[in-house]
Amino acid sequence: GQQLNQSPQSMFIQEGEDVSMNCTSSSIFNTWLWYKQDPGEGPVLLIALYKAGELTSNGRLTAQFGITRKDSFLNISASIPSDVGIYFCGGWDNNNDMRFGAGTRLTVKP
Amino acid sequence: GAGVSQSPSNKVTEKGKDVELRCDPISGHTALYWYRQRLGQGLEFLIYFQGNSAPDKSGLPSDRFSAERTGESVSTLTIQRTQQEDSAVYLCASSLVGGTHPQHFGDGTRLSIL
Repeated sequence: GQQLNQSPQSMFIQEGEDVSMNCTSSSIFNTWLWYKQDPGEGPVLLIALYKAGELTSNGRLTAQFGITRKDSFLNISASIPSDVGIYFCGGWDNNNDMRFGAGTRLTVKP
Repeated sequence: GAGVSQSPSNKVTEKGKDVELRCDPISGHTALYWYRQRLGQGLEFLIYFQGNSAPDKSGLPSDRFSAERTGESVSTLTIQRTQQEDSAVYLCASSLVGGTHPQHFGDGTRLSIL
């Protein structure tokens, strides 16, 4: 189906740096989900957001459901080599259609 | 099982052959989804099953693609007369119910059409 706008497409950072990525949509979302995918594996759910303005943390990861309900961001603090992978945003829009972003490929240099 | 299980993990076949991919969802999950992921790209929705309701087939790219699900258990995705453009990873996901419950993914079947 129709995809979200996820940016950046890729990031190359040094170990220990913080990372931020986001997704935007032209339509309102009811739920935002953030997943991480390692090579050869399926996406794994990191954080689920259900309310506008909601800010949720999972260890070094923090995600927020934008107040306009049209965007969400994911922050990773103090990155480590195992953070390498592809991060996907996704969610249900107000038509109850499930949509995913194209992914942000993260590379962490030791 | 503990997670979504897909088989085979890899499939290589010749153009024109039919293939069948299998998904075992998490026990008790009523919703099941199939996605296609081309190399380096995001997830493309194919089909969604919710309980005994008629499936949402709006994402199937052509009539060569079909899927079935028996009750709230195993699902099979069938691709007939495969083409090279069908080469991709096919991911299955399940959730406790449909709607906004988070989906849990299997590791996918990597399909290569020669």
